[in-house]
Formats: sequence, structure tokens, C-alpha cells
Amino acid sequence: GQSLEQPSEVTAVEGAIVQINCTYQTSGFYGLSWYQQHDGGAPTFLSYNALDGLEETGRFSSFLSRSDSYGYLLLQELQMKDSASYFCAVRDALGGGNKLTFGTGTQLKVEL
Amino acid sequence: NAGVTQTPKFRVLKTGQSMTLLCAQDMNHEYMYWYRQDPGMGLRLIHYSVGEGTTAKGEVPDGYNVSRLKKQNFLLGLESAAPSQTSVYFCASRGPGDTGELFFGEGSRLTVL
Repeated sequence: GQSLEQPSEVTAVEGAIVQINCTYQTSGFYGLSWYQQHDGGAPTFLSYNALDGLEETGRFSSFLSRSDSYGYLLLQELQMKDSASYFCAVRDALGGGNKLTFGTGTQLKVEL
Repeated sequence: NAGVTQTPKFRVLKTGQSMTLLCAQDMNHEYMYWYRQDPGMGLRLIHYSVGEGTTAKGEVPDGYNVSRLKKQNFLLGLESAAPSQTSVYFCASRGPGDTGELFFGEGSRLTVL
């Protein structure tokens, strides 16, 4: 089966850089996604890595190492509005690459 | 541009009652998903569909049924609701190609008493 591990909570100060790690175990791997969710709201897509390396989108970057079954989300120049839950999700080979399995989420608290 | 729309947004049921959650998307996506979210447990996949007329089981399918009679709609049914099904339900859709981008609805908050 699939399993994903990410820290349950991370705290950082405004303006800082924070890294949220995700390790996964899966029987077959297509790619790793990241989502942001504010309290009670719909998850919103941030990034997707299918290949090794770093993807940058504004203040957010995502990294993948397929050989290490590991990825991270990097948030730079933290703002108060970045306080939210962040989920990694694996798109795996079960179901022909059409299933996305989510981790349990990391709650990020940004403080002044 | 509606995207993914879920109805109803809130519902209270008594144990043993039945109900259907409706998900509609206007992006012509092939793939649709139903997840449930409980505190501390992330999003767990209930059922999904890879196209009109198809459905498949996810991680936690027991107690739920689904149907995809039209491409734009994905229905989630609870035949006999139980308190353990109290949760927030999210529907999502995905477009073609090598993408991990899901488009989520706003969620349906279900309480079973």
C-alpha cells in the first residue's frame, strides 16, 4: 500500500523560510503534489513534481528525490496568510496513476 | 466559472437515514474523486472514477456507493448513515495528462446523530 509521513506542526516567524518534508512509500510512483488548506476551506493545488529536482512558483518551491522517496515544500518570505495546513499527495501506480493518496498534513503557524 | 460544485453544503442526518451528495464539474474532466476529511487524518479517498460509467474503490469505501452516469456529475450515496460517517466530504476533479492537480469543491459537512 501507500503511506506518507510529514510533520504534524511547524512554527516559523514572518519573513522567514520554512521547509515541510514528506517521505512516502508506494508500490509505484508517478509524482508528488502539494496542497494548501485554510481552516475549513477547500484544498488548493500548489505544485506537482514528477521528476527529480526543484520546481519554483513564486515564493513556493517544491523538491523531489525519487531515489530517496522524499520531497519537500519550501516557503520563502513567510507571510501571516501562509498559516494553513499543507498536504503532500502521491500519485501512484495503483489504479493506473489515477489515485492520489494524501498525507495527514502539516499545520504551519506563522508568528510575528 | 463554477469549477467543482458540491451540494448540499451542510446536512444533519439521523442514524440509518440515507442521502446523496452531488458533485458537478464544468471543466470536462475525466477523473473525479470523493474524499472525506476528519481531524488529524488528512484526506482519505472513498471512491473515484476515471470516466463516465466507471467507478473504483479508494482507501475507505465501506458504507458508501457512487455513480457516474454523466461525465460532469459524480454522486456519493450513504444508504444507512452511521455516526462514524460524520465528516467533511470533498469532491475533486482532475484533467488529462501527467498532472497531480486536483480541483476541489468547497466541501459538504455531514453530521450523523
